[in-house]
Amino acid sequence: AQSVTQPDIHITVSEGASLELRCNYSYGATPYLFWYVQSPGQGLQLLLKYFSGDTLVQGIKGFEAEFKRSQSSFNLRKPSVHWSDAAEYFCAVGLDNAGNNRKLIWGLGTSLAVNP
Amino acid sequence: EPEVTQTPSHQVTQMGQEVILRCVPISNHLYFYWYRQILGQKVEFLVSFYNNEISEKSEIFDDQFSVERPDGSNFTLKIRSTKLEDSAMYFCASSVGGNTIYFGEGSWLTVV
Repeated sequence: AQSVTQPDIHITVSEGASLELRCNYSYGATPYLFWYVQSPGQGLQLLLKYFSGDTLVQGIKGFEAEFKRSQSSFNLRKPSVHWSDAAEYFCAVGLDNAGNNRKLIWGLGTSLAVNP
Repeated sequence: EPEVTQTPSHQVTQMGQEVILRCVPISNHLYFYWYRQILGQKVEFLVSFYNNEISEKSEIFDDQFSVERPDGSNFTLKIRSTKLEDSAMYFCASSVGGNTIYFGEGSWLTVV
């Protein structure tokens, strides 16, 4: 069955430090991969996505993610974290089913805290 | 930037009552979705809707749930007789062709 694992439930980093949030997926076909962010009291905002092509994708707010098929991973990175990055981060896999609509399978999320 | 809007942001209802959650998807989008997130659990797919009919639904989406697009702009989720376990954040979402799904801010439903 398809699944998404985010091994880190909670991460704390210092402002200005680099960040990597891990995501592993289990899916039989070529995955469509997404990272969403949810700030307190806010909805789910799309950070970036991977469909095909270059395995290193750039997103908003200075985030990037790298798709590694051999490791079934799609880790999210940011070279220098800002205090406003404190939020919940979700990795998701989109399932390609008939009719082009895609159902997203989600990880449990990683809560990021940023120390000043 | 266009966005998905949801109302209400928070609703408290008594068990057994009917609830309607409303959503206005992005205007040129064709696919509409409802997801939910029970506190502490993963976001779960409920239903997708295209061309005025349900295209896929999860096992969560039983006879107590229904969706409707009553006019050209709104997309609603109705829970006919709420249960305590329906307490969750409900997210509406939309997409053009199903590739990138955009979410609203969610509606917190608390069933007491």
